[in-house]
Parts: sequence; C-alpha cells; structure tokens
Amino acid sequence: GESVGLHLPTLSVQEGDNSIINCAYSNSASDYFIWYKQESGKGPQFIIDIRSNMDKRQGQRVTVLLNKTVKHLSLQIAATQPGDSAVYFCAETANNDMRFGAGTRLTVKP
Amino acid sequence: DTGVSQDPRHKITKRGQNVTFRCDPISEHNRLYWYRQTLGQGPEFLTYFQNEAQLEKSRLLSDRFSAERPKGSFSTLEIQRTEQGDSAMYLCASSFWGGTAYDNEQFFGPGTRLTVL
Repeated sequence: GESVGLHLPTLSVQEGDNSIINCAYSNSASDYFIWYKQESGKGPQFIIDIRSNMDKRQGQRVTVLLNKTVKHLSLQIAATQPGDSAVYFCAETANNDMRFGAGTRLTVKP
Repeated sequence: DTGVSQDPRHKITKRGQNVTFRCDPISEHNRLYWYRQTLGQGPEFLTYFQNEAQLEKSRLLSDRFSAERPKGSFSTLEIQRTEQGDSAMYLCASSFWGGTAYDNEQFFGPGTRLTVL
C-alpha cells in the first residue's frame, strides 16, 4: 500500500504486505530528515533518519528514500505487522531547525 | 518509555484560568524542547532550551505562554488566561546537542493533553 502524505492521510494495508508512506517536504535548504512513529497516547518515536547527501538508508524492516530533486521523502516498511499501526510523521531540518509534516495514519489489517 | 516524563498527563481547565505543565528530561540531556500538537497534525515547535538558556521561541508562543528551565534540568510551561484555542497536546522532548543536528536525536515524552472548556 502507498500514501501520498498530506493528500491521503490514511493508509490501510494487509498484515505481511509492504507499506510506503510518502512525504513532500517544503524547504529546499533542509539537509536532514527523520521519520517518527507516534502511537496513540504516546509521543513521537524516532524510526530512521537520512542526511541530504544520501538517497537511501536502510534499517531493520524500514527503508527511507530521499529525492531532493522533487523534495520527496518516503518510508518503506517491509512485512507490515499489527504493531506498525500508528501515525507516521516526516520531519525536515534546516539550520538545525526541525519541522514536522502533518502525518499519515497507517492501519494494518490482520 | 523514553525516559522523558511529563506531568500532568491530562489537564482540563476553564477558559481564563492559568495552567502549568512540567517536563523532566533525560538527565544527561542539555537540550529541552516544547511542542504543541493538535489532532491529526504534526508537532509544532514552541521553544527550546540549551541548559538553562532559552535559545529560540516560535511566533506561536504568544505573550500568554512562558517557559522556564531554571537549573538546566526540568522545565515548566505556563499558559496564562487560557483560551479554547489552546486545547492541544503539549509535548516535551530532550536531546544531547553535540554540535550538529545529525547527532541530536530528540526523545519525546508522552505529552500533556490540555482541554480548555
């Protein structure tokens, strides 16, 4: 399943499928990007980050892709699990100043 | 549990009342941030401290809002003469600033949910 961030704030996927969450960032001067996961009743939790001199970074079951040409960031979650259900935010940093996007709600169906 | 705690977790108040929230960061962290989050939106930056110095304030932080970090450890956020538009989740985060944003992971607390009636 795939979302387009602000224009489709909810993404529903089947357990075991891969998820792609997209984010369009605004500041071409941003040089550092972070994906956060926020579960209900909790604060945001760091998932993965990427610097602007990279276009891909992989973690455990997660991959972040950065396309600076079109100012686009995506988070790929492999083999999505029920515990992945949450709201996902991208954050961009320019001049050490971090700003969050509006978020995408991921729902994993069993 | 990230190690950042906030108190209270929930606060209901009447319009015009003053409220104060507390944040206890991770002890070795020198930076402390306050954010406001409304339903369905990402956190919006309000202010941050490095040790006891308040280094930046957002224009969202009106004159009714004041934050302190008197000893460089815990911080308080006070809202005077609350308005219904102040209803939101107030999040605190802390980090160890080592000189670059790349190594400045922010750890968030669970937030204080404020409801102004």
